[in-house]
Amino acid sequence: GEDVEQSLFLSVREGDSSVINCTYTDSSSTYLYWYKQEPGAGLQLLTYIFSNMDMKQDQRLTVLLNKKDKHLSLRIADTQTGDSAIYFCAPSGGSGNTPLVFGKGTRLSVIA
Amino acid sequence: DAGVIQSPRHEVTEMGQEVTLRCKPISGHNSLFWYRQTMMRGLELLIYFNNNVPIDDSGMPEDRFSAKMPNASFSTLKIQPSEPRDSAVYFCASSFPPDQPQHFGDGTRLSIL
Repeated sequence: GEDVEQSLFLSVREGDSSVINCTYTDSSSTYLYWYKQEPGAGLQLLTYIFSNMDMKQDQRLTVLLNKKDKHLSLRIADTQTGDSAIYFCAPSGGSGNTPLVFGKGTRLSVIA
Repeated sequence: DAGVIQSPRHEVTEMGQEVTLRCKPISGHNSLFWYRQTMMRGLELLIYFNNNVPIDDSGMPEDRFSAKMPNASFSTLKIQPSEPRDSAVYFCASSFPPDQPQHFGDGTRLSIL
């Protein structure tokens, strides 16, 4: 089955860029999602990229996909204290009946 | 639109007691997922249903855990008997179909004393 790996912790200064990385194993993933979990809350869909794209930009968020290396990254520009949260990478399966597989999450701490 | 609704939000009980967690998925979603989240193990998929049928329960820790989905709008996760190591946040999520983005409830924070 799919295996998703993320580094567990990232600490950045307010105003800097954050880059959260993810590697996965199933090359048939059609969509690759990023979720954000704030303290005491459930996971919320943040953004996603389709597997035939290399990059997607959405305001302060940039998603990069290297399909050959099965590497996904999420860049947050001008990181704010409100961005402090856990970020999960979740590739979809290749078929309509295969659910998302979540990584263990990267805890982003933003230092003022 | 109402999101995924879980109850209770918090549960504190003594070991050995039966615990029942409840979930109402988003109307129209045909896949429902139960997850457990702990600091040590992160987010773990326990079981998921498609069209009310359990598809994969390989993540259910042991026989003390059981899950049901009697209809499209309701699911339960039961732990009997409960143990302190079951303490965690339990999330329910739903999607349509299974490989589309999952929408999460706010979770049930379970503490077994």
